Amino acid sequence: DAGVIQSPRHEVTEMGQEVTLRCKPISGHDYLFWYRQTMMRGLELLIYFNNNVPIDDSGMPEDRFSAKMPNASFSTLKIQPSEPRDSAVYFCASSLESRPLNEQFFGPGTRLTVL
Amino acid sequence: QKEVEQNSGPLSVPEGAIASLNCTYSDRGSQSFFWYRQYSGKSPELIMFIYSNGDKEDGRFTAQLNKASQYVSLLIRDSQPSDSATYLCAARTPPGNQFYFGTGTSLTVIP
Repeated sequence: DAGVIQSPRHEVTEMGQEVTLRCKPISGHDYLFWYRQTMMRGLELLIYFNNNVPIDDSGMPEDRFSAKMPNASFSTLKIQPSEPRDSAVYFCASSLESRPLNEQFFGPGTRLTVL
Repeated sequence: QKEVEQNSGPLSVPEGAIASLNCTYSDRGSQSFFWYRQYSGKSPELIMFIYSNGDKEDGRFTAQLNKASQYVSLLIRDSQPSDSATYLCAARTPPGNQFYFGTGTSLTVIP
């Protein structure tokens, strides 16, 4: 079975540009999570969805960040405009509520560098 | 604030020794706990979970949970250089399904 798929794997952009990160969760999973990881702050939850509906976006750092999940198999995280402090690895994870512990499975991540 | 705390390390152990990784959590409502292993440049990979007080063993790994003291630990027996990674502790606290992650402990196993 395919795991969580993220694209692109690496993104280098200049300050002020729009960045779109993409995620395809494991088929059948009903939760999707977006995380950001940096050396300084570790793994931070940005937003999560249940059945395509955003449940908690309190971790989204500011209005420059937005996330959508138009269907069960696709989600995007957009940063507009991007800033150098947004440089980090962004992970998408998915889980299935009917599994007893709802464990999360992570994608390979997108390494974002904003110059 | 639902916090999960870990000693960032680095923790170094010789090959064949037992590595002990610890984690504390602040919310008594936390119900299940997870250990993820993350190799440098890779994504977190689930290696153990526990939800009942006591020990849970899986191969060389043992997870321990003490809800009264609000701590979780991971023991790695017969440590191997391939165990060198960052280990992330996570807690799931209802009513939401989000995990609260610690900042991770870096482990190096010295051949």
